[in-house]
Formats: sequence, C-alpha cells, structure tokens
Amino acid sequence: GDSVTQMEGPVTLSEEAFLTINCTYTATGYPSLFWYVQYPGEGLQLLLKATKADDKGSNKGFEATYRKETTSFHLEKGSVQVSDSAVYFCALRGTGRRALTFGSGTRLQVQP
Amino acid sequence: GAGVSQSPRYKVAKRGQDVALRCDPISGHVSLFWYQQALGQGPEFLTYFQNEAQLDKSGLPSDRFFAERPEGSVSTLKIQRTQQEDSAVYLCASSLVERLAADTQYFGPGTRLTVL
Repeated sequence: GDSVTQMEGPVTLSEEAFLTINCTYTATGYPSLFWYVQYPGEGLQLLLKATKADDKGSNKGFEATYRKETTSFHLEKGSVQVSDSAVYFCALRGTGRRALTFGSGTRLQVQP
Repeated sequence: GAGVSQSPRYKVAKRGQDVALRCDPISGHVSLFWYQQALGQGPEFLTYFQNEAQLDKSGLPSDRFFAERPEGSVSTLKIQRTQQEDSAVYLCASSLVERLAADTQYFGPGTRLTVL
C-alpha cells in the first residue's frame, strides 16, 4: 500500500538558517504530494502541493519539488523564522483515491 | 462558518462508554473525511463521504466505529464501547469535488478523545 516516510524530529535551527525536511514515498501510479503544517494549538493547514512529476510547490518561502525518479518531496526554506516553529507533515493522495496518506510528522523548533 | 468546525473539542470517556463526535464542514463542500491521529503520529484515514454516500470506509478499525452524514452536510462519528486504544485526536476534513488533481482538503481543529 501507499506510505510516506519523513525524517524524525525534532529539528532545531537558529533563526535565518536553511531548512530541509526529507520526505520519501511509496505509491503506485502518479500520486499527488502535499506538505501540511500544524502550528501550536491549531489545526492542519495545507502549506503546498504538487500534482505531477517535476512540479514545484511553493508558499510562504517554502518549496518542494516532486521528484519521481527518487520518489521524494523534500521541504526547503532558505531562511527560517521563529514563527515557522510547528509540526510539518508530508502526505500523498494515491492515484484515483480521495484519502490522504500522511507521514509521522517532523517537529521544527526555531530559536531566536 | 469560515472553516471546518468540530465538537466537542475534548471528550473524556470511561472504557465501555459510547461517544459521538460531530463535524460541520465548510458550506458547500461535497466531500467529507474522518482521520484518526494518535499521539506523535500522522493522521490515518478512517472514512470518506461524498454528499450523504459513504464511499470508502476501509480505514475504520473495527465495527465499533460508525460514521454517518444523513443530509450531506454535518457528519457524526460514533464509537461504541470505547477502549483505551481509541484515545486519539479525531480530525474531520472537507473538500470541494473539483478535478481530482486540484482537490484540497481543509481540516478542522479535531476532537481529542481520552478513554480512561
């Protein structure tokens, strides 16, 4: 079945550091890929998405590129802020399916 | 309302009790999903509705779990004879039925269920 694997946290960075959170997936066909973010005390919010190979999703300075050859969708940001502290979830939607399959989440802590 | 709402936000139940969790989707959203999120884990799919039709219930862990959406709007997830392993956050999400590739799920704040 479909699965998503993402790096374990917590990831602790200083403000303005470069961020990478790794995400790889297993799925048949051509899934759509997502990054969701959960800020403290809030619900899951869609951060960005990509629906086909080589697409780049971007939002709020975050980027991720759908790499089918490496089955990856790594999240990057050039300069993190304290306000980026949250839990980040990588997810996929399998071909022909509506339900999302999530990774286990990566907690990011940004220190001033 | 502007977003997906869920009630109650917190529920404590004694083992063996029945519970009912409510979800109000975004107005006009046709699709509705339930997910279960255990502590420290990502959400796991439970069931999916399109209008009032339950099209996928493959994620329901046992026959103690039952979901309904009788009028195609509000949905209720019912858990009978709760067990300690049912303790989790239950998330509801809704989406417009657009072209599948463009479909986006919007999540509610969740109901945290604790079974003692």
